[in-house]
Amino acid sequence: DAGITQSPRHKVTETGTPVTLRCHQTENHRYMYWYRQDPGHGLRLIHYSYGVKDTDKGEVSDGYSVSRSKTEDFLLTLESATSSQTSVYFCAISIGGVTDTQYFGPGTRLTVL
Amino acid sequence: GDSVTQMEGPVTLSEEAFLTINCTYTATGYPSLFWYVQYPGEGLQLLLKATKADDKGSNKGFEATYRKETTSFHLEKGSVQVSDSAVYFCALSDLTGNQFYFGTGTSLTVIP
Repeated sequence: DAGITQSPRHKVTETGTPVTLRCHQTENHRYMYWYRQDPGHGLRLIHYSYGVKDTDKGEVSDGYSVSRSKTEDFLLTLESATSSQTSVYFCAISIGGVTDTQYFGPGTRLTVL
Repeated sequence: GDSVTQMEGPVTLSEEAFLTINCTYTATGYPSLFWYVQYPGEGLQLLLKATKADDKGSNKGFEATYRKETTSFHLEKGSVQVSDSAVYFCALSDLTGNQFYFGTGTSLTVIP
């Protein structure tokens, strides 16, 4: 158990509203990731972080921003949610680097109406 | 670029049947290979991994062998159970590209 929690677990929001998802880990691991999971696409990397205030873009970063002001928290923000951002969002951590085994949180199901 | 291709599902098997889920990869370097499992409503869990050619990863009766000559990492289990019903993801990590790649997932349903 990598001690990863995500909040909220479910959220329904309207188009155009801002949304922030939180990922919290208890082990102070350096590397954290945000993915989205959609049918037919598997998991796609949105953003990742390799330390406090150190973040980088992934494959599908448009429309998303992240922040990491503390080691244990990695926030994903949708500045103005769109229906195409309806998805299940997973946070993950790794211990040894970007290519090390990744451990996942339970996910957040987001619906944008 | 690097990629992972796994067999499309869904796969439906009877309990105690033999399971194979195919996974092939493309990589420029020397990747590590992984299988993850996702049970309904949960996040992905690491099932097994292999870090170099000819390594065999195994866990909970599942096995996969890293075959460099065929660029494959097929998942096998000799006798599946209803509790194995889940979505299985093949993945690779590549030190050269400093990236982690997932396949699209294969849904498995095991019926009693």
